[in-house]
Amino acid sequence: GQQVMQIPQYQHVQEGEDFTTYCNSSTTLSNIQWYKQRPGGHPVFLIQLVKSGEVKKQKRLTFQFGEAKKNSSLHITATQTTDVGTYFCAVSRGANSKLTFGKGITLSVRP
Amino acid sequence: NAGVMQNPRHLVRRRGQEARLRCSPMKGHSHVYWYRQLPEEGLKFMVYLQKENIIDESGMPKERFSAEFPKEGPSILRIQQVVRGDSAAYFCASSRTDNQPQHFGDGTRLSIL
Repeated sequence: GQQVMQIPQYQHVQEGEDFTTYCNSSTTLSNIQWYKQRPGGHPVFLIQLVKSGEVKKQKRLTFQFGEAKKNSSLHITATQTTDVGTYFCAVSRGANSKLTFGKGITLSVRP
Repeated sequence: NAGVMQNPRHLVRRRGQEARLRCSPMKGHSHVYWYRQLPEEGLKFMVYLQKENIIDESGMPKERFSAEFPKEGPSILRIQQVVRGDSAAYFCASSRTDNQPQHFGDGTRLSIL
């Protein structure tokens, strides 16, 4: 089945720095979704990308789907302490919409 | 506009007991998914249900685990004869259709003594 890799598992940044993380697959993906989970919380849907090369923005967050649809990136501009949490990418396969999650990257922000 | 409701939030069981986890989807959502999350891990798919039907249970252990989504009432994930390895957070998600984003509940943290 489709698998997605997220490396590294942890990243620490100074407040105000930019942050970029990637989600990679060895196979072509039909779509990719990003979720955020705060410590002790539940995953919250952020975005879904479907088209090759697609770029979507949400305030300071920029999501991109690679041209070959084998990777995706999440970029946060000028991180804030509210950005703390674990960011997961996930893929679904066609009409069988179970999600396959990456292991996530846990972001910590030093004030 | 209530989101996905899961109860209980925390559940403690002794080895060999049964655990029942409940999930009420968002209003208007007929697709329910259960995921398990171990510490420091991503979420692992367990089962996908629509009203009265199991669509995909490929992620659920063959023994001791079962799930249902009756015509009336919440979806239930049932774990019989629990073991220490069942300790995890169990999340339920729902969606309006099978290709819409999934909305997650707060989860049930299951601890096995």
